[in-house]
Amino acid sequence: DTAVSQTPKYLVTQMGNDKSIKCEQNLGHDTMYWYKQDSKKFLKIMFSYNNKELIINETVPNRFSPKSPDKAHLNLHINSLELGDSAVYFCASSQGGTEPFTDTQYFGPGTRLTVL
Amino acid sequence: GQNIDQPTEMTATEGAIVQINCTYQTSGFNGLFWYQQHAGEAPTFLSYNVLDGLEEKGRFSSFLSRSKGYSYLLLKELQMKDSASYLCAAMDSNYQLIWGAGTKLIIKP
Repeated sequence: DTAVSQTPKYLVTQMGNDKSIKCEQNLGHDTMYWYKQDSKKFLKIMFSYNNKELIINETVPNRFSPKSPDKAHLNLHINSLELGDSAVYFCASSQGGTEPFTDTQYFGPGTRLTVL
Repeated sequence: GQNIDQPTEMTATEGAIVQINCTYQTSGFNGLFWYQQHAGEAPTFLSYNVLDGLEEKGRFSSFLSRSKGYSYLLLKELQMKDSASYLCAAMDSNYQLIWGAGTKLIIKP
């Protein structure tokens, strides 16, 4: 059973387009995240949602918007794609709450976005 | 500011032991995580330490010293499949994970 799934796995698109990446977790977790992994393999957190409320919103362009229709889903919508948006985007989830030792993050397989 | 430091790359021999170090500076501390990531794949959770000392899990062990802001991941009986990047991440007082850039471990026969 897939715990955290993302679609699509690969996304190739033109500059200026709008695209979405979907994420779903079936772990019953309360918190979900979006990370961007740059060319140096550094993971940078973009957003975190807890029970459909945004709790982390790092400094990312407002072209990026998270959308959470329910606790099990956190989709990433990107407007007006730019060349610099090319990267691997990872979704993750964790139990959340106030017990950090349960807050292990489980990652999805990643979505490789290429902007031409 | 908040910062995680770990070596960029390390090389070791199959069957040997390697220690990957990580130093951190965070606003508050709620634990330190180690993840393994193979090229093109998602990170996989390896360990979590919040108390000082050594935690052993099979071939992998993780150590934490909170007073020194220091952790290490110890890999024993290295196998070729251990070639991967190893990411250190510290959780701050707001339960945010602060990530290191990762250590690329190369295993040679």
